[in-house]
Amino acid sequence: DIQMTQSPSSVSASVGDRVTITCRASQDISSWLAWYQQKPGKAPKLLIFAASNLQSGVPSRFSGSGSGTDFTLTISSLQPEDFGTYYCQQAYNSPRFGPGTILDVK
Amino acid sequence: EVQLVESGGAVVQPGGSLRLSCAASGFKFDDYTMHWVRQVPGKGLEWLSLISWNGLSTYYADSVKGRFTISRDNSKNSLYLQMSSLTTEDTAFYYCAKTFQISDWKYFDNWGQGTLVTVSS
Repeated sequence: DIQMTQSPSSVSASVGDRVTITCRASQDISSWLAWYQQKPGKAPKLLIFAASNLQSGVPSRFSGSGSGTDFTLTISSLQPEDFGTYYCQQAYNSPRFGPGTILDVK
Repeated sequence: EVQLVESGGAVVQPGGSLRLSCAASGFKFDDYTMHWVRQVPGKGLEWLSLISWNGLSTYYADSVKGRFTISRDNSKNSLYLQMSSLTTEDTAFYYCAKTFQISDWKYFDNWGQGTLVTVSS
């Protein structure tokens, strides 16, 4: 099974900051990776698919990069509404999510 | 507008069974692979199962294989999850999710609001 890890597990940042979240797969997954945002009491929302493709309707301050085993989600200028938990998900084989990164906006 | 509405969550005793349903609307249901994903309150996401557009292919996570069965009725735009031999570790919110692209299974672009299953004596 492919294991996913994320770092940091939590981060607190200010509006306007650049925030980077890292996801690592236990084996090469090419670019088969997605990022989701989840707010409390809500279902996850797809942000990025295939490692770097922005889902329709998602603000351009979100971007994804990486391939192989190492991936990053970057928020270029943090906004107050960006709080929540961010999950990566590998789609190379049986889907598996990372443990999540809690983003708190100061 | 795509809508996915889960139902069927309940309190059930260990060893019991439960059937969840997901009513889909706003898209051509029989074009898409569908999934079930669960989340223990306050914890992370766990993919459980997928079913192909025509119901002929199904896949399961090891944690539920042999206990859960996914199915669909395209005539009713509905997805189901039959759960049996439930344990306290199955307590979670259960989401149905739509695959992002036709003829694909990889990403989930629409999710329901979730239904809570509590396994407790």
